[in-house]
Amino acid sequence: GENVEQHPSTLSVQEGDSAVIKCTYSDSASNYFPWYKQELGKRPQLIIDIRSNVGEKKDQRIAVTLNKTAKHFSLHITETQPEDSAVYFCAASPFGNEKLTFGTGTRLTIIP
Amino acid sequence: GAVVSQHPSWVICKSGTSVKIECRSLDFQATTMFWYRQFPKQSLMLMATSNEGSKATYEQGVEKDKFLINHASLTLSTLTVTSAHPEDSSFYICSASDRGRRVEAFFGQGTRLTVV
Repeated sequence: GENVEQHPSTLSVQEGDSAVIKCTYSDSASNYFPWYKQELGKRPQLIIDIRSNVGEKKDQRIAVTLNKTAKHFSLHITETQPEDSAVYFCAASPFGNEKLTFGTGTRLTIIP
Repeated sequence: GAVVSQHPSWVICKSGTSVKIECRSLDFQATTMFWYRQFPKQSLMLMATSNEGSKATYEQGVEKDKFLINHASLTLSTLTVTSAHPEDSSFYICSASDRGRRVEAFFGQGTRLTVV
């Protein structure tokens, strides 16, 4: 089955600086890679996703890059703000099958 | 986006009793729903895939007789934790996708189960 690794487990960034979280996956059949933001006790919220036919996708301050050959993808948050503080999870799944395998999570803290 | 509603949001039960958690897709039909468990400060671990009109598919290590899943309609899946023990205390969360429109998974708000 799929195995998704995520690094780092914790990340502290000065407000205004950029944050990068990296994930690797093992199953070459995976071709859908979403990123979720989860606040304490709440449901995961999709913040951006990418499919394997695309190498990069950007939405305002958030971007995701995918290297399918190396089986890794990354989340980039620029101009970080205190409200970006949360736990972020990457995930992978085969397209058309919503069975998601999650990474272990990254606790991001933005320092004002 | 599509809405998935989960109920209850929290529940406290005594050891040995059973608890039922409901997951509903409010504005779309979901032939498949997924149940996850999340322990404190840990990731979401898939427990089972709930298939409308057929038996659920359980992940390795998940006891199907303890975690009963029923998906009787296209908008409702239920997870029943039977003979609950304190170690079953966790955050349970479901997800569903509207296959007819998009592949994004929408999550319920989760259920915090505490077994005392």
